Amino acid sequence: DVKVTQSSRYLVKRTGEKVFLECVQDMDHENMFWYRQDPGLGLRLIYFSYDVKMKEKGDIPEGYSVSREKKERFSLILESASTNQTSMYLCASSLAGDNEQFFGPGTRLTVL
Amino acid sequence: ILNVEQSPQSLHVQEGDSTNFTCSFPSSNFYALHWYRWETAKSPEALFVMTLNGDEKKKGRISATLNTKEGYSYLYIKGSQPEDSATYLCAPEEDSSYKLIFGSGTRLLVRP
Repeated sequence: DVKVTQSSRYLVKRTGEKVFLECVQDMDHENMFWYRQDPGLGLRLIYFSYDVKMKEKGDIPEGYSVSREKKERFSLILESASTNQTSMYLCASSLAGDNEQFFGPGTRLTVL
Repeated sequence: ILNVEQSPQSLHVQEGDSTNFTCSFPSSNFYALHWYRWETAKSPEALFVMTLNGDEKKKGRISATLNTKEGYSYLYIKGSQPEDSATYLCAPEEDSSYKLIFGSGTRLLVRP
């Protein structure tokens, strides 16, 4: 059974803190993605990676960075969290050349 | 970037009702159209991937059609059940892209 896991379901941080959101997939997928979802908006792509150590900016990369040191793990980093980064964060993965994406359960981040 | 619209934004129906909702997208550079179902507290799950104009896909009581020339897809649910309550997301895929562009979803609530 395919699986994408995210390190936390709920997270509360303070403004200015450095935040790490971790995502791990066990399907040997090449592609991994980070999205955020806000009320009334679709999933918006923050960053994606199509190989180890490779990363590409998505549509809303400002305020975020990512790390992909191993194929199975894709980390989203908020260098200095701000209240407008309060959101639901979803990680997904897919095989190279196949855009059916498999999603994790999401992390609801609140920045106070 | 594709502009994806889903309507209605939310829908409340009675158990046993049939229902449908729409995803519209620009038809240029179209490659594929994905439908996902996202239940509360769970991960989004892929329902269908459609690529050809006139495609119809079916999974149990749920079916979808695709019109790539006019840029829309319909999702139908026959005889809605409470377990169908979820947000239904569509995501067109542009040619030569890793990325899916998600609509904001239709939130369906089926009352027993």
